Amino acid sequence: DGGITQSPKYLFRKEGQNVTLSCEQNLNHDAMYWYRQDPGQGLRLIYYSQIVNDFQKGDIAEGYSVSREKKESFPLTVTSAQKNPTAFYLCASSTGGAGANVLTFGAGSRLTVL
Amino acid sequence: DAKTTQPNSMESNEEEPVHLPCNHSTISGTDYIHWYRQLPSQGPEYVIHGLTSNVNNRMASLAIAEDRKSSTLILHRATLRDAAVYYCILESYNTDKLIFGTGTRLQVFP
Repeated sequence: DGGITQSPKYLFRKEGQNVTLSCEQNLNHDAMYWYRQDPGQGLRLIYYSQIVNDFQKGDIAEGYSVSREKKESFPLTVTSAQKNPTAFYLCASSTGGAGANVLTFGAGSRLTVL
Repeated sequence: DAKTTQPNSMESNEEEPVHLPCNHSTISGTDYIHWYRQLPSQGPEYVIHGLTSNVNNRMASLAIAEDRKSSTLILHRATLRDAAVYYCILESYNTDKLIFGTGTRLQVFP
């Protein structure tokens, strides 16, 4: 079955540590996205990538980094510079390009900073 | 990025139709209107999208105002499984970005 796999589902981190969240898709989608969601809030865009080896900052990129070395993979690193990293992180992908851009989401990764 | 405005919450009884409104007065001529929904602790799920004409699919219908400054997601017969947060989003033709707002929390009562 085609879809998006995020791992780990739950992650605990000590302050000052970097963590990397994995996102893999087998949908052959060109575009991939990372969103952050805080309790009771909507989704905020962190980074997105429309093509391999290229990515753009979203609205809240500070304290995060990404890479897009392969079409199917778009890992997100939450660095120690991110002041409030505890949140639910969602990865998505889409075919991208012109026209309507329908996103497929993963199940999410919940990060808690201890 | 154009912005959408939705009510924070709505209620419905099971098997009744639900009309979820969305205002997007700053929409541009090439912006698509998308709707997604999210169940607790899950990723959002695509519901429907449109540009100018009304759209129907197996999940819902999308009614778009003639001036495109508002739209309505219609669930024809609400079920308990439709209880979720519904997001109305505009997508700019020139980018692949979808910017989510805070959505409408729909409660469905038996």
